[in-house]
Amino acid sequence: DAMVIQNPRYQVTQFGKPVTLSCSQTLNHNVMYWYQQKSSQAPKLLFHYYDKDFNNEADTPDNFQSRRPNTSFCFLDIRSPGLGDAAMYLCATSREGVAGELEQYFGPGTRLTVT
Amino acid sequence: RKEVEQDPGPFNVPEGATVAFNCTYSNSASQSFFWYRQDCRKEPKLLMSVYSSGNEDGRFTAQLNRASQYISLLIRDSKLSDSATYLCVVNGGGSYIPTFGRGTSLIVHP
Repeated sequence: DAMVIQNPRYQVTQFGKPVTLSCSQTLNHNVMYWYQQKSSQAPKLLFHYYDKDFNNEADTPDNFQSRRPNTSFCFLDIRSPGLGDAAMYLCATSREGVAGELEQYFGPGTRLTVT
Repeated sequence: RKEVEQDPGPFNVPEGATVAFNCTYSNSASQSFFWYRQDCRKEPKLLMSVYSSGNEDGRFTAQLNRASQYISLLIRDSKLSDSATYLCVVNGGGSYIPTFGRGTSLIVHP
């Protein structure tokens, strides 16, 4: 089945130790997103790609970087994780629906713990 | 004023009850609207798109009121398995950046 896959599902890293989260999709959607979600909060957009065009949200910390080497893959790099970066990281893709609406499809998320 | 507002709840209802959530949005140029369901520690999953004419899928009915800038979700005959957080998502015309509400928590009890 076509889907959005995230690896790993759970990641434990030490304070300050770089970590990379990956996302792949078989949906062939041209837009990909990275969100950070903390408990009882809405997902917070970090970046999105429209094809290869990278778009950074103004309040995304410099500690977070992203790469999209091709349509199918997208990576989130956290250069020096802090305790406040512990969260669920969600990757999503989007396509336009039959009525022009924009539907997003989410991966299962990577839960990051920082020790 | 937040762009998309939802009552966080929780809404605590017995099985079989009918429950309704509203979500208001501030951008009058918004063009697409969605309800997502998110279970605890899981990813959001698309529940319904919300069309101008309203739409129904089994026990779930979604409606859009452009004049008052809100969307609603009605759940009839609630099941225990409906317990989740329901996220309202709004997208502006020509934008690929959806705006999320903080979600409404629903707890259905026996």
